[in-house]
Amino acid sequence: EAQVTQNPRYLITVTGKKLTVTCSQNMNHEYMSWYRQDPGLGLRQIYYSMNVEVTDKGDVPEGYKVSRKEKRNFPLILESPSPNQTSLYFCASSLLYNSPLHFGNGTRLTVT
Amino acid sequence: GESVGLHLPTLSVQEGDNSIINCAYSNSASDYFIWYKQESGKGPQFIIDIRSNMDKRQGQRVTVLLNKTVKHLSLQIAATQPGDSAVYFCAEYGNFGNEKLTFGTGTRLTIIP
Repeated sequence: EAQVTQNPRYLITVTGKKLTVTCSQNMNHEYMSWYRQDPGLGLRQIYYSMNVEVTDKGDVPEGYKVSRKEKRNFPLILESPSPNQTSLYFCASSLLYNSPLHFGNGTRLTVT
Repeated sequence: GESVGLHLPTLSVQEGDNSIINCAYSNSASDYFIWYKQESGKGPQFIIDIRSNMDKRQGQRVTVLLNKTVKHLSLQIAATQPGDSAVYFCAEYGNFGNEKLTFGTGTRLTIIP
């Protein structure tokens, strides 16, 4: 089944403890992206990747890192999480830039 | 700054009626628009898209209209069903050189049985 898989679905952590949210797609898509979703603010792009080894900042990149060493994986790294990064995170992929995105089911992160 | 927004945050529609969800965008250079549906506990799902060289596109029970003159996008859902209850987002792609997808804040559609 074609899908975008994120792990974990739920994560509770403490301020400053490094964490990684994994994202994997099995559709051989070139474009991948991370979003955070907050009430009243909608979906905001954190980082995106046009292809392997090509990443760029979205609207809200501060406090996040990404890497794209393989086409299928696009992990999101929070080196030193803070409470304002408490949010619902979505990974998404598409065949190319400006084609429809396929989203994962989200990771709910709470930073205390 | 560029923005994509929605006129109404909530919309209630009687089952079987048609619904219209509106979206305004501000970047006149955007050339690709998508509507997504998000059900509770899930990620957004693609519904329908339209490129800027079109003004209307139809899918199964859904129609998207694009008015570039007033920078307005709408999603029409025909004969709504309980399964249509969800949050609907419009999204806008910048043109080449600005490869960013901007989402509106969403409209919650509730279908009344």
